[in-house]
Amino acid sequence: DAGVIQSPRHEVTEMGQEVTLRCKPISGHNSLFWYRQTMMRGLELLIYFNNNVPIDDSGMPEDRFSAKMPNASFSTLKIQPSEPRDSAVYFCASSLGTQDEQFFGPGTRLTVL
Amino acid sequence: SQQGEEDPQALSIQEGENATMNCSYKTSINNLQWYRQNSGRGLVHLILIRSNEREKHSGRLRVTLDTSKKSSSLLITASRAADTASYFCATDASDYKLSFGAGTTVTVRA
Repeated sequence: DAGVIQSPRHEVTEMGQEVTLRCKPISGHNSLFWYRQTMMRGLELLIYFNNNVPIDDSGMPEDRFSAKMPNASFSTLKIQPSEPRDSAVYFCASSLGTQDEQFFGPGTRLTVL
Repeated sequence: SQQGEEDPQALSIQEGENATMNCSYKTSINNLQWYRQNSGRGLVHLILIRSNEREKHSGRLRVTLDTSKKSSSLLITASRAADTASYFCATDASDYKLSFGAGTTVTVRA
């Protein structure tokens, strides 16, 4: 298996633009997580899906952030409109079960100018 | 909020030496996990230790867990340059939500 796949790897955009981050979890994994990592706040869980259903989105910063998982092999995290403070590395991770080890993707480095 | 807190924040050692880092947490856990992150990369799972386990080994890694002190340690023996990375402990604040610490940055000098 190729592991968790994320795209794009790098994204530079201007404030106000819409940004869409994509994730393909490992086949067979039932849980998918979106994290954000910054120097100031460390690694934060944004949202968690189980069997394609959003279970906990309490970590989503505000309404500008939304996430979907239309099927077991694809998820998106959208920021609209983007702001400079959204600049961070966004990771997607998947796991077989909720308490199993999580496999992280390589991350998307987002820079909002 | 971060439940796990690693100590020290940074560690510099000579190749071949052992590296020890600690993690303290606040609330009861089901398991504790350690992850490694190389610069510019995603996190890689190293080892998971359950609350009823006291010690676990994986290759050159040794993890201990003391639930009475709410602490864990990660020992890397005979360190190599490739061990240079940040190491994070993660505790399960709920059935699914992992809470990551701020990490320990380890530098192994050749």
